[in-house]
Amino acid sequence: SQKIEQNSEALNIQEGKTATLTCNYTNYSPAYLQWYRQDPGRGPVFLLLIRENEKEKRKERLKVTFDTTLKQSLFHITASQPADSATYLCATPTGTASKLTFGTGTRLQVTL
Amino acid sequence: NAGVTQTPKFRILKIGQSMTLQCAQDMNHNYMYWYRQDPGMGLKLIYYSVGAGITDKGEVPNGYNVSRSTTEDFPLRLELAAPSQTSVYFCASSYQNRGPHEQYFGPGTRLTVT
Repeated sequence: SQKIEQNSEALNIQEGKTATLTCNYTNYSPAYLQWYRQDPGRGPVFLLLIRENEKEKRKERLKVTFDTTLKQSLFHITASQPADSATYLCATPTGTASKLTFGTGTRLQVTL
Repeated sequence: NAGVTQTPKFRILKIGQSMTLQCAQDMNHNYMYWYRQDPGMGLKLIYYSVGAGITDKGEVPNGYNVSRSTTEDFPLRLELAAPSQTSVYFCASSYQNRGPHEQYFGPGTRLTVT
């Protein structure tokens, strides 16, 4: 089965800088990868999906890359703001029925 | 649209008690999922359903049961609650046709078993 690794240590950055979060998968190359945001006490919210044949995907200040050679996806938030502080989860499909395997998430803290 | 709703928000159970966590979605999604999330751990899939009347086990189904009699509702039943079932439970739904789709999550139910 797929194993997903995200940095469990919190990432602290200053407002205005670019935050970069890493998601590594260990086994087969997934057909796509999804990123979610989770605020404390709330359910995850979908942000972006990137397919294996896409090198990069952008949405406003968000950018996701997918490197099948490195078995890695990078999630970037440019011009970060305190409101971007949250835990970010990556997920890959597993088996049938569009089931997902989630990483443990990386907590991002953006300070003034 | 209310999206995915879950009740209750919080619940404390004694060991051996039973309860049902409710989940409903009003987006006409055919796929629904139940996850649990423990501190420092990723979301673990308990059960899922691809449509009314069809359910299947996920990664951690022991101690739980589900049913899906309608498209909208997907309740999760805990029988004989144990401390190991203390967790936050999330219900999610997804619309499936061709290609991958995102999952929509409910606000969660925080369950404590003592």
